[in-house]
Amino acid sequence: TQLLEQSPQFLSIQEGENLTVYCNSSSVFSSLQWYRQEPGEGPVLLVTVVTGGEVKKLKRLTFQFGDARKDSSLHITAAQPGDTGLYLCAGPRIQGAQKLVFGQGTRLTINP
Amino acid sequence: NAGVTQTPKFQVLKTGQSMTLQCAQDMNHEYMSWYRQDPGMGLRLIHYSVGAGITDQGEVPNGYNVSRSTTEDFPLRLLSAAPSQTSVYFCASRPDRDYGYTFGSGTRLTVV
Repeated sequence: TQLLEQSPQFLSIQEGENLTVYCNSSSVFSSLQWYRQEPGEGPVLLVTVVTGGEVKKLKRLTFQFGDARKDSSLHITAAQPGDTGLYLCAGPRIQGAQKLVFGQGTRLTINP
Repeated sequence: NAGVTQTPKFQVLKTGQSMTLQCAQDMNHEYMSWYRQDPGMGLRLIHYSVGAGITDQGEVPNGYNVSRSTTEDFPLRLLSAAPSQTSVYFCASRPDRDYGYTFGSGTRLTVV
């Protein structure tokens, strides 16, 4: 059983469209992180959200942390082929803060 | 700075063989972790360390040993390789628990 459930697992859309990826849990997290991973490489940190309700923007990417700190979303506006990759959410549970647990990932493909 | 360096990049083992996956970081990070990545399962924590001389188990520790004699190095040992250990292994480090991880580029291990 995944502590962090991501949806959808796969998403293929056309360039220029908007999309949202979700990361949900029944547990409270002290913070949540989003990573992007390209084939043959390790994940790269995009952002960390810490406060319930927090919204962070990174160019065309908008990250939101739920008010109850149990969920997060990643919204991409006007997707581009360079956004293609595996998107992973991760967080340390309150009780076991040293351990960072990951969702199973969302594989995003942006078609030209 | 090299960041997190993992060696080897690829390895094929026969069932029952042992080997050590090397991981070194030059950022003076206290926290280091080993993850394995399998299709559809995201990243699963094997072992982690919060400083030299301190290690603990993650979600899937069976069949793996670690030690942390220096801040820089965190090797992962497979004592008797099994086909179920075929996976991509990532080492990661971070300054402390409130920061995101810097990942190595991974070791692709096949056990036949």
